[in-house]
Amino acid sequence: KQEVTQIPAALSVPEGENLVLNCSFTDSAIYNLQWFRQDPGKGLTSLLLIQSSQREQTSGRLNASLDKSSGRSTLYIAASQPGDSATYLCAVPNNAGNMLTFGGGTRLMVKP
Amino acid sequence: EAGVAQSPRYKIIEKRQSVAFWCNPISGHATLYWYQQILGQGPKLLIQFQNNGVVDDSQLPKDRFSAERLKGVDSTLKIQPAKLEDSAVYLCASSLRLGASGANVLTFGAGSRLTVL
Repeated sequence: KQEVTQIPAALSVPEGENLVLNCSFTDSAIYNLQWFRQDPGKGLTSLLLIQSSQREQTSGRLNASLDKSSGRSTLYIAASQPGDSATYLCAVPNNAGNMLTFGGGTRLMVKP
Repeated sequence: EAGVAQSPRYKIIEKRQSVAFWCNPISGHATLYWYQQILGQGPKLLIQFQNNGVVDDSQLPKDRFSAERLKGVDSTLKIQPAKLEDSAVYLCASSLRLGASGANVLTFGAGSRLTVL
């Protein structure tokens, strides 16, 4: 059974810092890995999806990396802004691709 | 395109009462998912539909939870009777089809927050 863990559970940083969020998974036989953002009281917004054949994906100030062999992914946020404050979740699909297993999320607060 | 619509946004009930949540997916999306997200945790899949058929309901507590998607479009999730531990956000999501390909991204609704007293 796939288990996904995110560390840290919460993070508070001053504006402008570069930061790294971590995601680990127990079964390395994954099709892809996805990072989501969740604002309070809102649904999930997909940020980045990395295919199993890729090592990283970039979107603006966000860069996600994937190391399947070690069962790890990182989300790097450059020059953090207060608007980045949210919960960030990573998720991987099962072998059939019909079920996402989510990590517990990292709650990020960027202070002005 | 319009997003995934969910209602109600908030519901407060007492234990042993019943509640129903409604979801309307993105037009043309064949696959619909219901997730439960308890405070401080990641979402957990309850049930998945492909058109009007159930693909996976292995994590649905069937003694109290039920869901249907009769016409293969909108869906209803019901809890009867509710327990205190059912307090959570119920998220609906949809995708074009089954499968984990890069193009088959899930789109989530804003969720329905349930508080059971």
